[in-house]
Amino acid sequence: GQQLNQSPQSMFIQEGEDVSMNCTSSSIFNTWLWYKQDPGEGPVLLIALYKAGELTSNGRLTAQFGITRKDSFLNISASIPSDVGIYFCAGHIAAGNKLTFGGGTRVLVKP
Amino acid sequence: GAVVSQHPSWVICKSGTSVKIECRSLDFQATTMFWYRQFPKQSLMLMATSNEGSKATYEQGVEKDKFLINHASLTLSTLTVTSAHPEDSSFYICSARDWRGGNQPQHFGDGTRLSIL
Repeated sequence: GQQLNQSPQSMFIQEGEDVSMNCTSSSIFNTWLWYKQDPGEGPVLLIALYKAGELTSNGRLTAQFGITRKDSFLNISASIPSDVGIYFCAGHIAAGNKLTFGGGTRVLVKP
Repeated sequence: GAVVSQHPSWVICKSGTSVKIECRSLDFQATTMFWYRQFPKQSLMLMATSNEGSKATYEQGVEKDKFLINHASLTLSTLTVTSAHPEDSSFYICSARDWRGGNQPQHFGDGTRLSIL
């Protein structure tokens, strides 16, 4: 089946730093979605991407749909403590199909 | 934005009990809802796709007689874990897509923490 490889698996951030994570696949996806999940809660949609090459921002978040349609990245600029959480990429291979999820990137605060 | 409500937030019950979890789309209609299971420090695993007015579609390895799904209206799907045992303890999350389809993304509920003693 389709798989999404998400990296890094975890990262430590210091307030003010920029953060970057990405997802790759061997399959072509028609839609890329980025979600954030806080402990004990469901994932919250951050950004949805629908066209190859599309670059979309949501506040300090920026995500891009790769030209090959097999990858996507998410950047967080000037991180703040509430950015801590787990970020998931997800994609559809076609409209209406079930979502395939990446393994998640756990963002933690540097001690 | 789209809101999906899931109830209850957490359940603790004895082994052998059946537990029902509700998933409601509050400000849109959803012909399709999805049920996921998530283990600690892992990603979401799709269990089944709930279709309004018809039978649910289960993923490989998911017992349909164990996890009963009913999607009787455009705003409500229920998951019943029948005769639950400790190994069924997990975080269950539902999601819903707006019935208008197309590129509407899935929106998720806040999950139900199920603990079977």
